[in-house]
Amino acid sequence: DTEVTQTPKHLVMGMTNKKSLKCEQHMGHRAMYWYKQKAKKPPELMFVYSYEKLSINESVPSRFSPECPNSSLLNLHLHALQPEDSALYLCASSGLAGGAYEQYFGPGTRLTVT
Amino acid sequence: AQSVTQLDSHVSVSEGTPVLLRCNYSSSYSPSLFWYVQHPNKGLQLLLKYTSAATLVKGINGFEAEFKKSETSFHLTKPSAHMSDAAEYFCVVSGYNKLIFGAGTRLAVHP
Repeated sequence: DTEVTQTPKHLVMGMTNKKSLKCEQHMGHRAMYWYKQKAKKPPELMFVYSYEKLSINESVPSRFSPECPNSSLLNLHLHALQPEDSALYLCASSGLAGGAYEQYFGPGTRLTVT
Repeated sequence: AQSVTQLDSHVSVSEGTPVLLRCNYSSSYSPSLFWYVQHPNKGLQLLLKYTSAATLVKGINGFEAEFKKSETSFHLTKPSAHMSDAAEYFCVVSGYNKLIFGAGTRLAVHP
């Protein structure tokens, strides 16, 4: 089963709210990723976790806070977002971290910041 | 440094005709190359992957791609387009520790 699940599917939040995005995989993968995708653009890498440790942070603002509680779960905590943060947020996983490994993507969370 | 260029931002074909989506890459070492498809408001789905085992790679849904080192190309083809193939397609090259995405090609399929 090559499935990555994400919840919620849609999220609308105000600029003062705190919310979290959740991602789960049961493929035994040891690398997990968060991407941000704006309309008509390719995904942009935000964070990489390898063996539950943050290995890459692509200079993402601190209002985005990732967390990897265990090897199957990945969270993205959101606080004090701006309207320009509205986007599709995609989670992905791969067997190991590194560009040579194919990544499996979840369906995404459509985030709207009002 | 690794980079990837998708030569067409939009491709339009008629149902039942061949599909060709073009991709050129640049890499300082032997790369891994991927094609992903994204249907509207969906996540990305892996179509196929090249990792030097064979230059002609077969993927899901009748797609295939040929790795040509001399041309630094990895074009995606399908003999006969189906309406359900209408989507955004991304050519991707392996970076040192992440994937490098092309800008995408939007494929439209007309009846």
